[in-house]
Amino acid sequence: DQQVKQNSPSLSVQEGRISILNCDYTNSMFDYFLWYKKYPAEGPTFLISISSIKDKNEDGRFTVFLNKSAKHLSLHIVPSQPGDSAVYFCAARSQTGANNLFFGTGTRLTVIP
Amino acid sequence: EAQVTQNPRYLITVTGKKLTVTCSQNMNHEYMSWYRQDPGLGLRQIYYSMNVEVTDKGDVPEGYKVSRKEKRNFPLILESPSPNQTSLYFCASRTGLANYGYTFGSGTRLTVV
Repeated sequence: DQQVKQNSPSLSVQEGRISILNCDYTNSMFDYFLWYKKYPAEGPTFLISISSIKDKNEDGRFTVFLNKSAKHLSLHIVPSQPGDSAVYFCAARSQTGANNLFFGTGTRLTVIP
Repeated sequence: EAQVTQNPRYLITVTGKKLTVTCSQNMNHEYMSWYRQDPGLGLRQIYYSMNVEVTDKGDVPEGYKVSRKEKRNFPLILESPSPNQTSLYFCASRTGLANYGYTFGSGTRLTVV
């Protein structure tokens, strides 16, 4: 059973606009959430993380929001750039299994110039 | 350059022929892990290691073996590969800091015929 879900397989956004990628989870024991970006023929690259005790973390153009009551997090990219076109994976770490990351199935973001 | 190196990048083999995928990291990371990526399933952890000679099963360990004799190396062994092990494999490593994600290698695409 998928504990981390990304229900949108793809998203297209105009350059300069905001990209919002969503992620839902089911396990209340998750204590860290991470976003990874993946280009073709490369491994996933760590982008940004957030602890479960926070509701927002910002790093340049990337902001992650966490809504614990809804078990939902989102990644905002502002402004979107063509180089942001990639597959984005949401991942979560459980307090009880700190060495495992549970990944979503990914969302392919296309930023249109 | 800090990196995780895995070899080979591509491998086609026949059912039952033992193979090893190598993984090496130069960041002195304690934790190492193997994941496989399959369409519609995201990335799933196969095995992980917390340090030298300390390994444990992830979510999908059946048909795989690992060893951690040195801190930098974490090979993945398929004693008798089967077609359902055709997948994209990623090795990853990280420090013990909680909010740091794994650093991933570039991947090994394995086809078992």
